[in-house]
Amino acid sequence: GQSLEQPSEVTAVEGAIVQINCTYQTSGFYGLSWYQQHDGGAPTFLSYNALDGLEETGRFSSFLSRSDSYGYLLLQELQMKDSASYFCARGYGQNFVFGPGTRLSVLP
Amino acid sequence: DAGVTQSPTHLIKTRGQQVTLRCSPKSGHDTVSWYQQALGQGPQFIFQYYEEEERQRGNFPDRFSGHQFPNYSSELNVNALLLGDSALYLCASSLALAVSYEQYFGPGTRLTVT
Repeated sequence: GQSLEQPSEVTAVEGAIVQINCTYQTSGFYGLSWYQQHDGGAPTFLSYNALDGLEETGRFSSFLSRSDSYGYLLLQELQMKDSASYFCARGYGQNFVFGPGTRLSVLP
Repeated sequence: DAGVTQSPTHLIKTRGQQVTLRCSPKSGHDTVSWYQQALGQGPQFIFQYYEEEERQRGNFPDRFSGHQFPNYSSELNVNALLLGDSALYLCASSLALAVSYEQYFGPGTRLTVT
């Protein structure tokens, strides 16, 4: 199985912290990536977790637990520009299976 | 340093026609992957090209074919277009030996089939 599950929508206010969860099926796992996509734009890479634990990149952090087939993206100090769709993507061979995406709306 | 470029930006075709989309990878990258993204959904992997060969393929029919050239650029061809082929087609480039599996996406080609 290659499917991933994410919440379809998340809403938060500016300055808050939000967590976007991702669960996946485990066959052929090669790591979990996160991408951001603004409306009308291309997906842009945010982070990659090959091993369990937390990876921090500025205001964004990503976590992976391979034993739980679970990961999350944590966005801190939310800004209006963070309003976008966020996709987790599971490594499969040399490519990725993308989740359905979570639409994040940041309110003033 | 040019990023991933794709052409054309938009395309309108009729059912049954054929279309060719083009992609130039980020400088220094040797691998090109193609994705189809329907509105409101995540990108769906079509196939990947490395060293001018199709290395991996997703669950897409043979109507979808591709090619990679010696300069690493790539084409996606779709024959016998169906209405359901209307989508954003994304090209992503990467380095085969990269550890992070980071892919750089182009802006996409919006294909509309009428």
